[in-house]
Amino acid sequence: DIQMTQSPSTVSASVGDRVTITCRASQDISKWLAWYQQKPGKAPELLIYAASSLHTGVPSRFSGSGYGTEFTLTISSLQPDDFASYFCQQSNSLPWTFGQGTKVEVK
Amino acid sequence: QVHLVQSGAELKKPGSSVTVSCKASGDTFRDYTITWVRQAPGQGLQWMGRIIPLLGVTKFAQKFQGRFTITADKSTNTVSMELSSLRLDDTAVYYCVRDRDSHGIDYWGQGTLVTVSS
Repeated sequence: DIQMTQSPSTVSASVGDRVTITCRASQDISKWLAWYQQKPGKAPELLIYAASSLHTGVPSRFSGSGYGTEFTLTISSLQPDDFASYFCQQSNSLPWTFGQGTKVEVK
Repeated sequence: QVHLVQSGAELKKPGSSVTVSCKASGDTFRDYTITWVRQAPGQGLQWMGRIIPLLGVTKFAQKFQGRFTITADKSTNTVSMELSSLRLDDTAVYYCVRDRDSHGIDYWGQGTLVTVSS
């Protein structure tokens, strides 16, 4: 199975900050990476697919980049609604695997 | 638009089985892949297996082979999962999701908490 490693595990930030989360794959996954946001007690929601494509309805302050084994999710200007956990997921080969998550908390 | 509604929370004994259902409405149910993902308390997400309802084809994670089944009822737009030989570490929220492969998982059920406790 492909292992996905996210860093950092926690980010402390303030409204308006630029936040970057990294996801590394244990092998080349081309551009087949998605990012999700999850709030406590809720199901995750898709933000980005195919590394850099914004899912319908997702604010443009979210962006994704990367290829191969290293990927990033960037929130250009953190908003109050963005304090949540974020997960990456590879869809290059089954079984799909997820990163362990990054929590964005209030600084 | 797709809406996935799952059955309610379950409390089970170790060694028993649990069935969770997922009823889809909205878009054409049968044309997509429905996947089950679980999340243990305070943990990350784990892909368990999937079914293409139109074809009845399934694929399972090696970890769950032999004790995990997924079925689809096209007449009621319902996918069900059964996990047997339950262990304490099977305690988790189980999600059914619409899996669009390279386009990501775009719809999630509300989740079903399965608690395994003696």
